[in-house]
Amino acid sequence: ETGVTQTPRHLVMGMTNKKSLKCEQHLGHNAMYWYKQSAKKPLELMFVYSLEERVENNSVPSRFSPECPNSSHLFLHLHTLQPEDSALYLCASSQLTSGGQSSYNEQFFGPGTRLTVL
Amino acid sequence: GIQVEQSPPDLILQEGANSTLRCNFSDSVNNLQWFHQNPWGQLINLFYIPSGTKQNGRLSATTVATERYSLLYISSSQTTDSGVYFCAVRNTGGFKTIFGAGTRLFVKA
Repeated sequence: ETGVTQTPRHLVMGMTNKKSLKCEQHLGHNAMYWYKQSAKKPLELMFVYSLEERVENNSVPSRFSPECPNSSHLFLHLHTLQPEDSALYLCASSQLTSGGQSSYNEQFFGPGTRLTVL
Repeated sequence: GIQVEQSPPDLILQEGANSTLRCNFSDSVNNLQWFHQNPWGQLINLFYIPSGTKQNGRLSATTVATERYSLLYISSSQTTDSGVYFCAVRNTGGFKTIFGAGTRLFVKA
């Protein structure tokens, strides 16, 4: 496997289900991201993990729960979702470089999970 | 927060034509990327270009950070260039990436 992979690629779930999205990066990066892309909306950043610590939670409802067990893996746990949560969920990774001021460099994206909530 | 505006929102080209896509941003940035999103949703990296000019085949990009804009040039367009082109920026010292709304390109054969 190369780059950033995501599973599953497609997911249909009911509002009472619990499911998880998985992301794995094979680039040796130390920062990972979840984004949401809804129809006719710009990509929205949901969560950022840097060195396995969450550094950004962009006002995301608690029915979305991220987990980053190590620098290569990122999960998004889903429970009691709403139909308006149907979207393309994209994972990305980048390398954090530290120095006088930390800098997050070029991001690379996975293929996404297309989620439909019934 | 930083605002990102892309223009035009939609663009239709005849195969072989050239085009320029623009990205304006409202604050200083230290990170700017151009992406192409294909019909299956995959975001493909085109350029990482916080400043200066880069070229890759038929594509080139220029960022003038002091004037807060970036341009993506597509020459001799092909039908496979169709899709949505996104500009994404990040503030100096920040980790939050802001995407523009995109330019939807359709290249006709």
